[in-house]
Amino acid sequence: ETGVTQSPTHLIKTRGQQVTLRCSSQSGHNTVSWYQQALGQGPQFIFQYYREEENGRGNFPPRFSGLQFPNYSSELNVNALELDDSALYLCASSLVGGPNYGYTFGSGTRLTVV
Amino acid sequence: GQQLNQSPQSMFIQEGEDVSMNCTSSSIFNTWLWYKQDPGEGPVLLIALYKAGELTSNGRLTAQFGITRKDSFLNISASIPSDVGIYFCAGSIAGKSTFGDGTTLTVKP
Repeated sequence: ETGVTQSPTHLIKTRGQQVTLRCSSQSGHNTVSWYQQALGQGPQFIFQYYREEENGRGNFPPRFSGLQFPNYSSELNVNALELDDSALYLCASSLVGGPNYGYTFGSGTRLTVV
Repeated sequence: GQQLNQSPQSMFIQEGEDVSMNCTSSSIFNTWLWYKQDPGEGPVLLIALYKAGELTSNGRLTAQFGITRKDSFLNISASIPSDVGIYFCAGSIAGKSTFGDGTTLTVKP
């Protein structure tokens, strides 16, 4: 059973640029959730994807968007990067419709915006 | 939106001591979860609680789902150095989780 893998592990971008982060979900999971974790804080919910559609969104602007693919992998896209977007971005997979054992998290992508 | 208040923010304890941390919310959740995060890693699930009043153990860890469904606590008994890390509570509803800001645990040998 493979866990959640995220790429890249680290990324440095310039303010105003666009970025795409990728996530492969755990085998057997059908849902992917994305979280932003600023230093010293808990993860903040960005959005969740189920059946290739957005299934709930947190308090993040539209320049944060995502995709889920038929194999349940997912992308997080952020346009017009701002300095405050610097954070650890965590992808978590889960199984909707199964026992609620919580999320399986990847190790995250550390994004630095300069 | 939903917010979780997790306390204490940090703890410094001696090896062998017991630890207690808790989480409260203004909102009701139907699942409470406790995670541990090590540096450079994502959070790892420790314990999941599904019913109000439920008390669940996982080795030296014990957690309870509050009767009001708005709170939960986590106890760690006989702490060891590898317990060091950040512990997060999370309340879940409709498959989406809201996280507290964590309790940073330091264990002195």
